[in-house]
Amino acid sequence: DIQMTQSPSSLSASVGDRITITCRASQSINKYLNWYQLKLGKAPNLLISAASTLQSGVPSRFSGSGSGTDFTLTISSLQPEDFATYYCQQSYSLPWTFGQGTKVEIK
Amino acid sequence: EVQLVQSGAEMKKPGESLRISCKGSGYSFTSYWISWVRQMPGKGLEWMGRIDLSDSYTDYSPSFRGHVSISVDKSISTAYLQWSNLKASDTATYYCARMGTSFGAYYFDYWGPGTALTVSS
Repeated sequence: DIQMTQSPSSLSASVGDRITITCRASQSINKYLNWYQLKLGKAPNLLISAASTLQSGVPSRFSGSGSGTDFTLTISSLQPEDFATYYCQQSYSLPWTFGQGTKVEIK
Repeated sequence: EVQLVQSGAEMKKPGESLRISCKGSGYSFTSYWISWVRQMPGKGLEWMGRIDLSDSYTDYSPSFRGHVSISVDKSISTAYLQWSNLKASDTATYYCARMGTSFGAYYFDYWGPGTALTVSS
């Protein structure tokens, strides 16, 4: 199985901050990396597919980059509604696997 | 509007069987695969398996193969996740998710709200 490692596991930030979450794969996954946002009591929300493709309806402050083994999710200006847990997920090979999650909290 | 509606919360005893459901609407149901994803209390997301809704072909994660079964009833646009012998460790929230694809990349583009399962004696 491909292991996905996110860092940090949690972070505290203020509204307006720029934050970056990193996801590293245990082997090359080309660009087959997706990012999801999960809020308590709500269904997960797909933010970015194929490493950098922003989904329809997702604010442009979210961006993704990377290929191979190293990927990043950046929020350029954190908004109150962005406080949530973020997961990366590889779809390069079965079984598909998720990172352990990064919880973004209010400072 | 694409919607995945899941069955309600369940409380079961160890050893019991259970089937939870995921009904799709607002799109051509059999044109997309459905996956099931587990989230144990306080933990992250785990992919369990997927089903091709057109022919019922399934893939399972090795971690779940043999313990759960994924099926579909195309006539009512509903996918299922089933256990025959529940354990306390099955306590979790279970999400169904539609699998989108673009240029060879797969992703979970729509999710159900989750079904909470508690297994306790």
